[in-house]
Amino acid sequence: AQSVTQLGSHVSVSEGALVLLRCNYSSSVPPYLFWYVQYPNQGLQLLLKYTSAATLVKGINGFEAEFKKSETSFHLTKPSAHMSDAAEYFCAVMYSSASKIIFGSGTRLSIRP
Amino acid sequence: DVKVTQSSRYLVKRTGEKVFLECVQDMDHENMFWYRQDPGLGLRLIYFSYDVKMKEKGDIPEGYSVSREKKERFSLILESASTNQTSMYLCASSRQGPDTQYFGPGTRLTVL
Repeated sequence: AQSVTQLGSHVSVSEGALVLLRCNYSSSVPPYLFWYVQYPNQGLQLLLKYTSAATLVKGINGFEAEFKKSETSFHLTKPSAHMSDAAEYFCAVMYSSASKIIFGSGTRLSIRP
Repeated sequence: DVKVTQSSRYLVKRTGEKVFLECVQDMDHENMFWYRQDPGLGLRLIYFSYDVKMKEKGDIPEGYSVSREKKERFSLILESASTNQTSMYLCASSRQGPDTQYFGPGTRLTVL
């Protein structure tokens, strides 16, 4: 079955530190991959997406993610965390034959002053 | 700017009531989706629609039904609300095929 795994339901980093949120998917077929962010009491907002072009994808707010087929991973990074990055982040996968997205269970990012 | 709106941000209902949640998109998208979000479980797909009057069950359709009479509007119906349907409900829309889904702000439903 197709699935998305986000390692760590809660990640805490200091302001200015590197942010690394991990995402692995299960599939032998190259998928479309997404990262969404959800601020408190809001809907989900697209951060970035991979659609088989460049393997390093740049998104909004300084985030980027790298597609690694050999590792079936799509980890999200940001070089320097800001207090405003505190939110929940969802990795998601979609396959070209369907319009449905499979979401990971989410990672809550906290930023320490 | 793309926009998906949901009829209510917060809703409180009693067990057994019929509940309607409405979603409207202004992007002329073919696909529309209803999810529920619960802590630790991420987003789970309830139903989706790929055209007017067309619908498909998602992963957790039990206790829910949907209606799509117009392209821009997708309604989620709880025929007889139960306490285990207390949750955050999110609507989304997208173009046909593997495209980005755009989300509404969500409706936090409490069933007492």
